[in-house]
Amino acid sequence: DAGITQSPRHKVTETGTPVTLRCHQTENHRYMYWYRQDPGHGLRLIHYSYGVKDTDKGEVSDGYSVSRSKTEDFLLTLESATSSQTSVYFCAISEGLAPSGELFFGEGSRLTVL
Amino acid sequence: SQQGEEDPQALSIQEGENATMNCSYKTSINNLQWYRQNSGRGLVHLILIRSNEREKHSGRLRVTLDTSKKSSSLLITASRAADTASYFCATDLVSGGYNKLIFGAGTRLAVHP
Repeated sequence: DAGITQSPRHKVTETGTPVTLRCHQTENHRYMYWYRQDPGHGLRLIHYSYGVKDTDKGEVSDGYSVSRSKTEDFLLTLESATSSQTSVYFCAISEGLAPSGELFFGEGSRLTVL
Repeated sequence: SQQGEEDPQALSIQEGENATMNCSYKTSINNLQWYRQNSGRGLVHLILIRSNEREKHSGRLRVTLDTSKKSSSLLITASRAADTASYFCATDLVSGGYNKLIFGAGTRLAVHP
């Protein structure tokens, strides 16, 4: 298994509170991604990173911010959580940019916003 | 709307039977990937097929790609209960200068002993 750890794995929070999800990798891969998975939507890309301090938006980035201060860590922050952000969040990594090769996924972080 | 869409949404078969899942997409691609997701787990990469390839095999998996029909199929032969999972196709899509990987909504496969 690829060395990807997501934390926390489960979190329940209230609307309006900030939430940070962490993704840690031990593979030294350049590219890191945050996806959310919702029933009927498959996985949708939130943000991705192509290097330390280099990040860009995905298709559903509103309400989310990311940071990558070290190769191994990619943080996803919900500044003010809303119920529509209740979802399962997956971190993924790849050696090359995603469409050219395979992604390795973490086990997911289930977030419930009440 | 999604770049890739799987069909059927759900499939239920007996052990030993073959399972076929289809993926259709809308725009030209460079490659197409298939992933498996066991319940409550992350996705696991199965196979990547490039646009200039028509068929690819990996163990009991056979993937075909028909670029003229913009479709791909994943065949699992001699299925086992352990194959019970959701299967997703993912295609690349150039949008906003970034070549993105877009996932479909998946096919839920149930293999009964």
